[in-house]
Amino acid sequence: EAGVAQSPRYKIIEKRQSVAFWCNPISGHATLYWYQQILGQGPKLLIQFQNNGVVDDSQLPKDRFSAERLKGVDSTLKIQPAKLEDSAVYLCASSPQLAGAWGDTQYFGPGTRLTVL
Amino acid sequence: DAKTTQPPSMDCAEGRAANLPCNHSTISGNEYVYWYRQIHSQGPQYIIHGLKNNETNEMASLIITEDRKSSTLILPHATLRDTAVYYCIVRASEKLTFGTGTRLTIIP
Repeated sequence: EAGVAQSPRYKIIEKRQSVAFWCNPISGHATLYWYQQILGQGPKLLIQFQNNGVVDDSQLPKDRFSAERLKGVDSTLKIQPAKLEDSAVYLCASSPQLAGAWGDTQYFGPGTRLTVL
Repeated sequence: DAKTTQPPSMDCAEGRAANLPCNHSTISGNEYVYWYRQIHSQGPQYIIHGLKNNETNEMASLIITEDRKSSTLILPHATLRDTAVYYCIVRASEKLTFGTGTRLTIIP
């Protein structure tokens, strides 16, 4: 079974530039998550989708971050404009269970390491 | 507020059992105990989860105390590839909230 795919693996940009990350979840997984992991910390949830609808985006900085999952499969996360503090690894995860299911498990991709200069 | 407490780091000799403790004294009756690990430069990997009974799978065993206030993840025969940060997470159906975990180093 193929895992969660993410691209690019690495990205370096200047502050105030824009950047986009792509995620292809495991086939058939209804729920998709984007996390931000700052160096030395655990991952922090940014947004959660079930199919193509947003379930939780309470921790997404909506003034600069946006995400979509138009056809309920692939997803993109965008930052515009980037700030220095956005330097982090952005992780995508998917789950076969519906959002909010008890005992659900999440499968993570390798992440995209973003450096903002 | 953190729901779990884990030691920041541990060492274990290769081939021995690695026992990773986690305290969760405020756990509610409907909350599961989850364990994930994160190998360097990779995304987190699900290991195991349980509610109140001990659980075992091909990766590890999870021992939950009778009062459910603490648990131990056991890797029965640790290898160098088990070197990672291990996260203990307590949750019902809400989002996963990762702490800083335990950095486990397997010593050759």
